[in-house]
Amino acid sequence: EVQVVESGGGLVQPGRSLRLSCAVSGFTIDDYAMHWVRQAPGKGLEWVSSISWNSGTIAYADSVKGRFTISRDNAKNSLYLQMNSLRAEDTALYYCSKDTFDIWGQGTMVTVSP
Amino acid sequence: QLVLTQSPSASASLGASVKFTCTLSSGHSTYAIAWHQQQPEKGPRYLMKLNSDGSHSKGDGIPDRFSGSSSGAERYLTISSLQSEDEADYYCQAWGTGTVVFGGGTKLTVL
Repeated sequence: EVQVVESGGGLVQPGRSLRLSCAVSGFTIDDYAMHWVRQAPGKGLEWVSSISWNSGTIAYADSVKGRFTISRDNAKNSLYLQMNSLRAEDTALYYCSKDTFDIWGQGTMVTVSP
Repeated sequence: QLVLTQSPSASASLGASVKFTCTLSSGHSTYAIAWHQQQPEKGPRYLMKLNSDGSHSKGDGIPDRFSGSSSGAERYLTISSLQSEDEADYYCQAWGTGTVVFGGGTKLTVL
């Protein structure tokens, strides 16, 4: 079965860090670009970051640039998002997805609060 | 700047049809988009990729009731024979240069 499973979310204080993981099964990610997308409570989908198959091309939304770092380990078939200097506005459900967004996980919740 | 514009809400009766519109910003009328469905309390679900010529490729298991079409800078998603489980948020999404953009989403209420 093709699936992606996000993990690593939780409650964190403003200014602290968190690392999200996305474990992929059913296909090998080394053929594909991968993305992180988030959804704040009651809001729409917001693209966060993308990484090419070989990590040669990386892009970030302006809202996270300089604070978040996307990475991948093709050998482990996994995607990561290192989130530093977290803010209240980063509170959201974080999803990982495949290049054409044809595969989505259930997300992992990040709550940034004192 | 690539922007996708969607109406915030729509409603239609059980068994009827509904058509959603996603409008691409000026200068981006040839871009392909994707449509995604998000049912309450669930993750998004890929429906289809829709090209500027109206050709589209649907995701696995997406019923024939879901179809896409295009006209100029507008991309459409039509759902026919509406069912209660179609009540959801519908998002369009496009790939820009070094970015990905989502529309604001349309909330469908099935009456």
